[in-house]
Amino acid sequence: DVKVTQSSRYLVKRTGEKVFLECVQDMDHENMFWYRQDPGLGLRLIYFSYDVKMKEKGDIPEGYSVSREKKERFSLILESASTNQTSMYLCASETGYEQYFGPGTRLTVT
Amino acid sequence: EDQVTQSPEALRLQEGESSSLNCSYTVSGLRGLFWYRQDPGKGPEFLFTLYSAGEEKEKERLKATLTKKESFLHITAPKPEDSATYLCAVPRNYGGSQGNLIFGKGTKLSVKP
Repeated sequence: DVKVTQSSRYLVKRTGEKVFLECVQDMDHENMFWYRQDPGLGLRLIYFSYDVKMKEKGDIPEGYSVSREKKERFSLILESASTNQTSMYLCASETGYEQYFGPGTRLTVT
Repeated sequence: EDQVTQSPEALRLQEGESSSLNCSYTVSGLRGLFWYRQDPGKGPEFLFTLYSAGEEKEKERLKATLTKKESFLHITAPKPEDSATYLCAVPRNYGGSQGNLIFGKGTKLSVKP
């Protein structure tokens, strides 16, 4: 079974803090994705990566950056957290268009 | 514009009351349609992939079907444990890059005993 893990289930940060969310997959997938999910808005793609050190912007990249130094690990960075970044963050790993999701990180920015 | 629309937004059923969820899409050159189940506070769980019109996939009480413009997720004799949000997604036409999915907003299914 594909396993995607995320570093935290719940996270509380203050406005202006730098926040790191980490995602690790164990299936040697090349493609990885970061989404945020908000009530009424559904899943929105933030960034994705097709290879190590490669990244592409999704639909809502503003205020975020990513890092992929190793194939199995894809990190999402909030450079200066703001209250409108309070959300559920979901990481996914993909093969043949089938995406497998981690459990999610519920981030609250106060 | 590539788009995925799911209906209804919410569905309440009694245990044993069969029904269907709808997913319509407006993307050209469909390269697959994907169904996911999401429980509250958790990540989506992959259910099915459908690739061509007329294709059907089954898993327990769920059956997914695909036409040229829409997909249905049929739930037969549902149980309370089938309560979840069901999401569908299709690959977007994005310069040929694979894996970039457009998700619908989901149908929240509640099954009462």
